[in-house]
Amino acid sequence: GESVGLHLPTLSVQEGDNSIINCAYSNSASDYFIWYKQESGKGPQFIIDIRSNMDKRQGQRVTVLLNKTVKHLSLQIAATQPGDSAVYFCAEKVGGGNKLTFGTGTQLKVEL
Amino acid sequence: GAGVSQSPRYKVAKRGQDVALRCDPISGHVSLFWYQQALGQGPEFLTYFQNEAQLDKSGLPSDRFFAERPEGSVSTLKIQRTQQEDSAVYLCASSLGEFNEKLFFGSGTQLSVL
Repeated sequence: GESVGLHLPTLSVQEGDNSIINCAYSNSASDYFIWYKQESGKGPQFIIDIRSNMDKRQGQRVTVLLNKTVKHLSLQIAATQPGDSAVYFCAEKVGGGNKLTFGTGTQLKVEL
Repeated sequence: GAGVSQSPRYKVAKRGQDVALRCDPISGHVSLFWYQQALGQGPEFLTYFQNEAQLDKSGLPSDRFFAERPEGSVSTLKIQRTQQEDSAVYLCASSLGEFNEKLFFGSGTQLSVL
């Protein structure tokens, strides 16, 4: 289920299930999107990215979906493992801009 | 090392002290960013360098914050007269080219101002 923790929404899943983490972005001029994973005490780690001329991109066990109509981004993680437990951030970059703008983040907890 | 290196890992300062945070980006990376991350929040942009040029400092919260990258490699973020609200994790990131998309982050410096 989902709950709101310390400023962070939380998603709890069973090991082996698929996870879907959602992100609503704000700027219709954004043309690049990226997902990061952040474990406690570490910096954000790149997972997968996508440009606005695509609506889906797949990596190893991860898929990013982009719906520009409703300004929505999702990260799907297949066969979730305990090592996937972390905070996940989406970020966007405006076309012609020079910086990534990060969302609030979602805490993913994998239960054994 | 192969990644972005930041030092110190932890810094405790008394209110009013000046602090300097160091970032060693990945060798050859043109772009360097500083972000501030409060507890339970996403990283917030502070400033951006392309080589030694500081092209965007719009995120610096006040004139107490100053960043430099004099030789286009190592960067230092300096905070003068620290305040309690400056307590946060300061993240440095670098990217290979000028288009600033896939950023590689360091582990950050956790600053606590007492």
